[in-house]
This record gives sequence, C-alpha cells and structure tokens, in this order.
Amino acid sequence: GQQVMQIPQYQHVQEGEDFTTYCNSSTTLSNIQWYKQRPGGHPVFLIQLVKSGEVKKQKRLTFQFGEAKKNSSLHITATQTTDVGTYFCAEPAMDSNYQLIWGAGTKLIIKP
Amino acid sequence: GAGVSQSPSNKVTEKGKDVELRCDPISGHTALYWYRQSLGQGLEFLIYFQGNSAPDKSGLPSDRFSAERTGGSVSTLTIQRTQQEDSAVYLCASSPGQGGYGYTFGSGTRLTVV
Repeated sequence: GQQVMQIPQYQHVQEGEDFTTYCNSSTTLSNIQWYKQRPGGHPVFLIQLVKSGEVKKQKRLTFQFGEAKKNSSLHITATQTTDVGTYFCAEPAMDSNYQLIWGAGTKLIIKP
Repeated sequence: GAGVSQSPSNKVTEKGKDVELRCDPISGHTALYWYRQSLGQGLEFLIYFQGNSAPDKSGLPSDRFSAERTGGSVSTLTIQRTQQEDSAVYLCASSPGQGGYGYTFGSGTRLTVV
C-alpha cells in the first residue's frame, strides 16, 4: 500500500543549529503538505507544495519538493526554542480525493 | 465557526463506561476527520466523513467505536465500554473537502480511562 517514510524520528540540536526532516513517498505525488505540532498542541498546517522542484520559504523554514515529486524536505535555519515540536509531512491518498497519508513525524528537540 | 471546536477538552472515565466526543468543524467544510494520537506517537486515522456519509471507516479500532455526522456539520465519536487502551488524545480536523487543501485541527479531547 501507499506509504510515506519520514526521517529522522528525532533530532537533537543546540539552539542556533540547523534542522532538517525528509519525507519519501512510494508514489509520485500531486502535492505534499507540512504540519507542525507543538508539545501538548495539535497539528497546524504550514504549507503545501505542488510543483516539481518547488522551493518555498517561511522566514527560517525552507520547504522543497523533489523534481520527481516523490520526496520533500523541511529545513530550519538557526533553530530557536519556538521551533520545538514535531513536524509531519502528509501526502494525498491515491485512492481518495479527501484523505491524507501521514508521515510518522520528526521531533525537534533543543538541547539545554 | 472560526476554527474547529472539540468538546470536552478533557474526559476522565471509568473503564466500561461509554463516552461521546464532539467535533464542530469550520462552517462550510464538507470533509471531517477523526484521528487518535497516543502520547508521543503519530496520527492514527479513525474515520472520515464527506458530508454526512462515511466512505472510509477502516480505521475504527473495534466495533466499540462509532461515529456519526448530522447536517453536514457536527460529528460525534462514541466509544462504548471504554478500555484503558482507549486512553489517548482524539483529534478532529476539517477541510473544504476537495483535494489539495490543508486540514484544520481542533485542540483535541484528552481521554483518560481509569
């Protein structure tokens, strides 16, 4: 069945270091979405990527969609404590117009 | 409403009791989703509604779980004869219903079965 692999599961960084999470799909995607979930909170939609090779930026966050539209990444430059949380990618289900298939998430932890 | 509203925010229940969790989606959103999230884990899909119908119930863990949606709006997730393994945060999300839109999540209901 359709799967999305997200790595790493955890990433520990010092404040000010960079962070990256990757998602790889078993299928060619029409789009991919990214969400952030703060500790104790709920997932919040960040962005959707649609075009092959697309790169979008939101302040220190850079989102990329692969040329083949099978992978994506989220890179955070110079992490801050406000970046702490779990980042999920999600891709459309091939057999449904309404459902998303979710990655397992990458938890960003800032070392004290 | 302005966002997705879930109630109650917290529920503690005794093992064996039934519980009802409510979700009020964004007005006009035709698609509504229920997920379950255990502590530190990912999102477990339960069920989704398109309008009042539920095309996919495959994620419901057992026949103790059921859900309905009325008037294309409010949805209720019911868990009968709760078990301790049902303890989790139950998240509801809605979307405009067409492909390519992000989900808006509610703040969730934290269910604790004692």
